[in-house]
Order: sequence, then C-alpha cells, then structure tokens
Amino acid sequence: KQEVTQIPAALSVPEGENLVLNCSFTDSAIYNLQWFRQDPGKGLTSLLLIQSSQREQTSGRLNASLDKSSGRSTLYIAASQPGDSATYLCAASFTGTASKLTFGTGTRLQVTL
Amino acid sequence: NAGVTQTPKFRVLKTGQSMTLLCAQDMNHEYMYWYRQDPGMGLRLIHYSVGEGTTAKGEVPDGYNVSRLKKQNFLLGLESAAPSQTSVYFCASSYEGVHTQYFGPGTRLTVL
Repeated sequence: KQEVTQIPAALSVPEGENLVLNCSFTDSAIYNLQWFRQDPGKGLTSLLLIQSSQREQTSGRLNASLDKSSGRSTLYIAASQPGDSATYLCAASFTGTASKLTFGTGTRLQVTL
Repeated sequence: NAGVTQTPKFRVLKTGQSMTLLCAQDMNHEYMYWYRQDPGMGLRLIHYSVGEGTTAKGEVPDGYNVSRLKKQNFLLGLESAAPSQTSVYFCASSYEGVHTQYFGPGTRLTVL
C-alpha cells in the first residue's frame, strides 16, 4: 500500500530559525510530490510541486527537495516568521495512479515570538 | 476568479437524513475531487472526476455518490447519513490530473 508519513506531528520553533519539515513515502515510483499549507478552519493552499524528474523547487523562503531513492522529501523554511504558523501537508502521486494524491497527516508548526 | 467554492460551509444532520454538497470551480479545470479530513487520518479521497459526465471511486467511496453534469460543478451526495460520516469535506480541482490541486474552504458536517 502506498503511504505517506510526516514526522513530527507538531513542531515549535522561535522566530527567525531555519527549519526542515520531513515527508517520507513507501513507493519509489512516485510521479510528483506536493506541499500544502493549511490554516486552522481553512482549506489547503498549494506551496510547491516537485515532479519526479526534479530534485528541488524553490519559492521565496521555501525550498522543497525530493529524493526518490530514499523515499523522502523535505520542506525547508528559511528565517521563520509567526505568520508561517500552520499545518504543512505533503501529498504524493504515484505512477499508475498519477491523478490521485496520497496525503500525509501533516506537521503542525508554531513559530513563537 | 472565485477559485473553488463549496456550499454549505456547515451542516448538522440526523442519522438517516440525506444531503448534497456542492462544489463549483471557475478555472475551467477538467479534474475535480472530493476528500474528507478526519483527525489523525489526513485527507482521504472519496470520489473524483476526470471530466464532465465522468466519476470514479477513490479510497473511501462507500456511503457517498457523486455527479458531474456540468464541467464546473461536482456534487457529493449522502443518501443516508451515519455518524461515521461526521467530518470536514474538501473539494479540489486541477487542470489535469498531475497538476497542482486547488482546494475549496471546506464543509464541516456533523451527523448526530
């Protein structure tokens, strides 16, 4: 069964710190991987999408990497701010079921003053 | 553009009642999806559609039906609601299946 795991479930860091969120997947036949942000009581907002042929994508202070051989993706957030506090979800699509996403359970991030 | 909208935002049902959730998108996307989100379980795909007039089962389709009569709308129906269907329901759409999915704000459903 294709599974996506995110550890830890929650993380608290002081403002200004650089941080890494982790995502692991069980099937190396990944098609693409997406990172989303979810604020409390809201829907999901897409942050970055990495195709299987890519190793990383960047948007502003965010950088996502993909390592298919180890089954891992990381989301790096530089110079964290209180406004970054949210739940971050990763989701993978796999070859053969490329139109369907398998989600992790998310990491709840709190950036403190 | 409104993006993806969902109606209603909140709903309380009694066991056995029926209801329909409406999802609308104005981005001319071909693909549309319905997910449910439960604590500790992440988002799970209920049904999806790859174009007008098509529907397909996702991971947890039992107890739900869907219809895609118009390209911009995707309806999720509960024929006989059960407490296990208490959840937050999200609709999403994408240009093609492998592209970024855009999510609606969600519908919080409670079944008593």
